[in-house]
Amino acid sequence: SYVLTQPPSVSVAPGKTARITCGGNNIGSKSVHWYQQKPGQAPVLVIYYDSDRPSGIPERFSGSNSGNTATLTISRVEAGDEADYYCQVWDSSSDHQGVVFGGGTKLTVL
Amino acid sequence: QVQLVQSGAEVKKPGASVKVSCKASGYTFTSYDINWVRQATGQGLEWMGWMNPNSGNTGYAQKFQGRVTMTRNTSISTAYMELSSLRSEDTAVYYCALSSGGSSFDPWGQGTLVTVSS
Repeated sequence: SYVLTQPPSVSVAPGKTARITCGGNNIGSKSVHWYQQKPGQAPVLVIYYDSDRPSGIPERFSGSNSGNTATLTISRVEAGDEADYYCQVWDSSSDHQGVVFGGGTKLTVL
Repeated sequence: QVQLVQSGAEVKKPGASVKVSCKASGYTFTSYDINWVRQATGQGLEWMGWMNPNSGNTGYAQKFQGRVTMTRNTSISTAYMELSSLRSEDTAVYYCALSSGGSSFDPWGQGTLVTVSS
């Protein structure tokens, strides 16, 4: 089955740029979606189809996807960005088609 | 606005079944697929399957095949996820979420805590 690999944690100082990666075999050929989850809350979509932002999501959030790595970039990081972030794809390439989530990355704002 | 409201927390004994509901509002219920995702405490997100509310067609993750059933009642715009033969490892928060044709999940329900304990 398809596997998405994320770093368990990323730390960044306020005002700096955070980059969270999501690795997968030829992930550039798939559409990647990103979710933000704060403690005790349901996940919220922050990036869809690699780089599109839903309404209400700040322009500071952006995404890219190429080769074997997709990246969520958060510019000018704020304390309120501290959360877990998950990448997600639909895998239709294996015998067991379905949704795959990365293991999640905890973003800590120093 | 589009909203998914889930049923309340459940406590079940090992071997029992649980049925969680997800009531939709703010859109045409049959227009979007409903997915179920669970999350054990301190763990990541785990997709369980999807259902097309229009046709009733379903697709389940291999891990849950034979144990999960997703249904709907279109007259009350409500989707259901039933998980049987519960074990302690099924203790988790269960979420419903909308998708369309393999797209992203948005929005999500508020989650339902299911606790399996003897």
